[in-house]
Amino acid sequence: DIQMTQSPSSLSASVGDRVTITCQASQDINNHLNWYQQKLGKAPKLLIYDASNLATGVPSRFSGSGSGTDFTFTINSLQPEDIATYYCQTYGNYVYTFGQGTKLEIK
Amino acid sequence: EAQLVESGGGLVQPGGSLRLSCAASGFTFRSYWMSWVRQVPGKGLEWVADIKQDGSDKYYVDSVRGRFTILRDNAKNSLYLQMNSLRAEDTAIYYCARDSSQGSGWFFDYWGQGTLVTVSS
Repeated sequence: DIQMTQSPSSLSASVGDRVTITCQASQDINNHLNWYQQKLGKAPKLLIYDASNLATGVPSRFSGSGSGTDFTFTINSLQPEDIATYYCQTYGNYVYTFGQGTKLEIK
Repeated sequence: EAQLVESGGGLVQPGGSLRLSCAASGFTFRSYWMSWVRQVPGKGLEWVADIKQDGSDKYYVDSVRGRFTILRDNAKNSLYLQMNSLRAEDTAIYYCARDSSQGSGWFFDYWGQGTLVTVSS
């Protein structure tokens, strides 16, 4: 199975900051990498699919990049409502795999 | 808009069984693969199982294979997870999710609100 290593596990930043989260796959996954946001007590929400495509209705301050094994998720100009845990996810060999998550807090 | 509503969670003893349901609306249910994803409270996400549009193909995470069965009834727009031989480590919030793809990659574009399963004596 594909292993996903997401970092950091937690992050504290100020409103207006640029925030970056990385995800590394144990093997080449092309661009098959997705990002989710999960707010406390809520279901996850798809933000980015296929590494760099913004899901419907997602603000443009969210973006993703990468290919192969190394991927980056960025929030430009962090907003208070972005407090959440973020997960990367891929699919391969009939198995979905998530990263361990990054808990984002506001300073 | 697509909506998924889970039900059936609760407290069950180790070794017991439970059947979760997910009612789908707002989209053509029979056209999509569907999944169950679980989350131990305060921990990360773990995909559990998925099922093809017509129910002919099913896949499971190793930890539940042989104990859990994913099912669907397209006439009722419903997804199910039959959970047998439950263990304490199956305690989690169980989410129903719609599988989607825009090419070759797969992701979950709609999620239910989740139902809590607690396995404890």
